[in-house]
Amino acid sequence: QVQLQESGPGLVKPAQTLSLTCTVSGGSISNGAFYWAWVRRLPGKGLEWIGHIYYSGKTYYNPSLKSRPTIAVDTSKNQFSLKLTAVTDADTATYFCARLLTGGNSWLDPWGQGIQVTVSS
Amino acid sequence: DIQVTQSPSSLSASVGDRVSMTCRASQSLGMSLNWYQLKPGKAPKLLMSAAATSHTGVPPRFSGGGSGTEFSLTITNLQPEDFATYYCQQSYSVPPITFGQGTRLEI
Repeated sequence: QVQLQESGPGLVKPAQTLSLTCTVSGGSISNGAFYWAWVRRLPGKGLEWIGHIYYSGKTYYNPSLKSRPTIAVDTSKNQFSLKLTAVTDADTATYFCARLLTGGNSWLDPWGQGIQVTVSS
Repeated sequence: DIQVTQSPSSLSASVGDRVSMTCRASQSLGMSLNWYQLKPGKAPKLLMSAAATSHTGVPPRFSGGGSGTEFSLTITNLQPEDFATYYCQQSYSVPPITFGQGTRLEI
């Protein structure tokens, strides 16, 4: 059974870079049937897709985040990561990693438990 | 991009009740809509895929329906563990992945 777990600092200063890692266990991140995604839950605003990556390194990003996110994959560690530059308090959220099925009806399953990240000086 | 509008934003109900929530899309999705359950401190759960297909382990009191631009999630015989926030997600055109605004189900 595949499980995902987010890790990283829970507090980031404004204008700095948020860095999170998602560790995948119980399955290979190189499974070509899936992408690997980051989603965040903004306070009072619901879920927002940040981006996703294929094991080959191909990435897709939410254009509303204006080139601030970078998602990378490390197949040797079965991990993928998120870097979000120039954070502001608007980036305070719970960040989730999830597996995204490829193909015609793409759903996210499973998800990690989430990590609360607060942007504050 | 496809927009998805979810309603209501919140819903009050009691144990044993039947409730429904709706997602409307800005264009036809066919059957390409999924539903998720979120609870504080827990990993979000996929409930339904392809509008009406229950994910593994989802109790039969959850049902999904609809096609095209209008979809629904219905919960019958509400149980205490069902009080959570529910989101729909369109999967007709990905990327981008787009979610509804969420429905908070409260006691």
